[in-house]
Amino acid sequence: GAVVSQHPSRVICKSGTSVKIECRSLDFQATTMFWYRQFPKQSLMLMATSNEGSKATYEQGVEKDKFLINHASLTLSTLTVTSAHPEDSSFYICSARDTTGRGQYFGPGTRLTVT
Amino acid sequence: DQQVKQNSPSLSVQEGRISILNCDYTNSMFDYFLWYKKYPAEGPTFLISISSIKDKNEDGRFTVFLNKSAKHLSLHIVPSQPGDSAVYFCAATTAGNQFYFGTGTSLTVIP
Repeated sequence: GAVVSQHPSRVICKSGTSVKIECRSLDFQATTMFWYRQFPKQSLMLMATSNEGSKATYEQGVEKDKFLINHASLTLSTLTVTSAHPEDSSFYICSARDTTGRGQYFGPGTRLTVT
Repeated sequence: DQQVKQNSPSLSVQEGRISILNCDYTNSMFDYFLWYKKYPAEGPTFLISISSIKDKNEDGRFTVFLNKSAKHLSLHIVPSQPGDSAVYFCAATTAGNQFYFGTGTSLTVIP
């Protein structure tokens, strides 16, 4: 089956620093990748949609200058949380859609803690 | 505007009984529906899907039913097992377009 990996799985950083999270589709090409955020006991919140080679489309209320998304290849998208604050602490999940458009596969998530 | 809704945030079922999770959608253009299962601190995993040309798809203990006229789909788990305890998300899409997810239903299977 299609596998999506995320790295790192957990990261702790200090306020004001930046953190990069990688999302890779391991055995398929993903023209579109998505980034979600999940707060405790809440549903997934779509943050942005990224298409390979073009700028990401951000959902309303998501700061594009704070959450930088790069989709440089058909198998890799990165989310950089810049100038992190404690309120950015959350569980970030990426997903990748395959070329059929019918499959969307999720990564295992990254737990970000900002101290 | 929530195009896919899961109106029950939680459900408790006795082990061995049937779990029925429901999902409603508003967009009649959706032609493909999926269910995902999510454990805490993990990403969602694909469970089962159904195309709009079908009204039922079965995979082991999991069956998804689609009622297009009612814009309603449901996931049946029979028999329910404690390991099924998780949050279940339904999703809907049209080919090549965005997936829309419901808010999830937390299933607890009581041993």
